[in-house]
Amino acid sequence: AQKVTQAQTEISVVEKEDVTLDCVYETRDTTYYLFWYKQPPSGELVFLIRRNSFDEQNEISGRYSWNFQKSTSSFNFTITASQVVDSAVYFCALSRMETNAGKSTFGDGTTLTVKP
Amino acid sequence: GAGVSQSPRYKVTKRGQDVALRCDPISGHVSLYWYRQALGQGPEFLTYFNYEAQQDKSGLPNDRFSAERPEGSISTLTIQRTEQRDSAMYRCASSLAKGALDYGYTFGSGTRLTVV
Repeated sequence: AQKVTQAQTEISVVEKEDVTLDCVYETRDTTYYLFWYKQPPSGELVFLIRRNSFDEQNEISGRYSWNFQKSTSSFNFTITASQVVDSAVYFCALSRMETNAGKSTFGDGTTLTVKP
Repeated sequence: GAGVSQSPRYKVTKRGQDVALRCDPISGHVSLYWYRQALGQGPEFLTYFNYEAQQDKSGLPNDRFSAERPEGSISTLTIQRTEQRDSAMYRCASSLAKGALDYGYTFGSGTRLTVV
């Protein structure tokens, strides 16, 4: 069985602070995908990033960066110099990599509030 | 279409009634997924299709829930004899790749189902 744990239920920061959202996962698969999604107050779910289990390089996209560590089964998400528009619920998700393994297991999300 | 379209946006129904939720995926997307999201939780997998074939329905809670995608495009999720515990946001997503989630999901805006 697969499991994703986002231990931080809510985080509140002041604008321009850096913030890291934690994600820990459990799986018996040796190959898998990890994802982050953003759910702003408007309610839609927006895909942010996908990582393969065999690629442990960290990734940076503007103010966003992701740290994948297979040894600790973690896939953490850092927002640098946070902005009010970053306020949202962020979900980490895990999926098998097999051809027909379409479903993802989501964590319960971390609500990030960025105050001006 | 340009995005994943779901209808209705909101549905209020009386307990015991049947409901049908519709999803129109992005044109050309092979895979279509149904998820359910309770308040304060992450999306929970229900079922998914590659083209018209239902690949995995392990997440459907019971036999009151069913889904179809007869022509490999539009999908309908049907809930028979609704119960209050069925109240949730029902989300549809599609992806270009055949189950492999190369590009993550594109989610629709969801249908908020309330059973009274």
